[in-house]
Parts: sequence; C-alpha cells; structure tokens
Amino acid sequence: IVMTQSPATLSLSPGERATLSCRASQTVSSNLAWYQQRPGQAPRLLIYDASTRATGIPARFSGSGSGTEFTLTISSLQSEDFAVYYCQQHNYWPRTFGQGTKVEIK
Amino acid sequence: QLLESGGDLVQPGGSLRLSCAASGFTFSSSTMSWVRQAPGKGLEWVSSIGVGLYYADSVKGRFTISRDNSENTLSLQLTSLRAEDTAIYYCVKGAHYFDFWGQGTLVTVSS
Repeated sequence: IVMTQSPATLSLSPGERATLSCRASQTVSSNLAWYQQRPGQAPRLLIYDASTRATGIPARFSGSGSGTEFTLTISSLQSEDFAVYYCQQHNYWPRTFGQGTKVEIK
Repeated sequence: QLLESGGDLVQPGGSLRLSCAASGFTFSSSTMSWVRQAPGKGLEWVSSIGVGLYYADSVKGRFTISRDNSENTLSLQLTSLRAEDTAIYYCVKGAHYFDFWGQGTLVTVSS
C-alpha cells in the first residue's frame, strides 16, 4: 500500500490552522495513524484508528477520514507544532508510511 | 522506556546485533517492532514480533527479530549489510500503530 501525503511543505504562521492530507493507494478502512517528528527527536504517535488521539496529545490535533482519504488538522499552530508529520497505514503488512509533510514557520 | 544499543560503523557484507531494553510496561504481552530512518529521509517499517513474525521485503532473509521476555529485551540481528541499510533504527512498542518509540541507534554501512 502506497501512502501519499500532501503538501510536501506547509508554510504557516503561529495561530493558523493546518490541514494535512494523506491518501492510500487502496482502502485501509480506518486503520491509519499520524506521527509528529521534531528535529533531532524520535517520532511521536498523535492519532490512531484515523481519529483517536493518543495519550497526552492536545485537543488541537484531530484526525478524520476513512477508506483512502485522511486528514490531520491542527486547529491553531503552536511553536512546538512546527515539525514533520507522517501518516502510516496499519491495515496491511507491510506497514507503510507516507513520505511526510513538513510544517514550517512562514 | 525503550533504550536501543548496538549501532556501529560496519563494512558492507558485515553483521550487527541491535538490542532494545524495555521498561515501564508489560513487555511480555506487548507487540514490538523496529522502524528505521535513513539520514534525511522518511520512516520505513522493518520488522514486527508478537502478532507472528513480519519483515519488510527489503530485509527479509537478512534480518532476524527476536525477544527475550525474561530480560525484557528486543533484538534485531542484521546480516549481509548493504549501504542502503544505513539508518537510525528505532525500537517501537506496537505492531499496528507504534505508540512509543526509543531514541534510536545509528547503523552506518560503509567501507
């Protein structure tokens, strides 16, 4: 399963809303996760099962979608949210990740 | 906590064993995986254990995942290493989604 993320880079200001997209090459039902990776750090799970926030993840992060189209929304960007975000399907083996979306400060 | 070790500089064709010491959760009942990240690149799932054994095609036949529940340790044996195996290798909890990650250990394959 090929996961395709768009855009590659998103340039936004603090306080703005971020909308990140992830498309699967075939349906993965709701078996989709999102991760955040800050520079020099390991990835962190944000969302699993397409829309369930992981433990400790702020409410400004939300996930939606099913089948082949998914969205990660950050309602109001904070300074610590500027990072790279990856989607990953967990419906099939091998597990596959998207190529990432970098959210950068405009 | 997940603490990886064993990363090193190794020549093409060489071997290496990565280890991951787990604490703070019930390791024996947890599915576990390895995920890698080449320098400046994205994430690539490598292998999982606990829901059976699964490997990425790129490492099948060369890498072996194992666990020691008495020592709360996850391992990855890497053989026939290639330049394209150069990456940070992360030990992660989970095999469907990955809910906790170690800080990673760097494997460099170069002559």
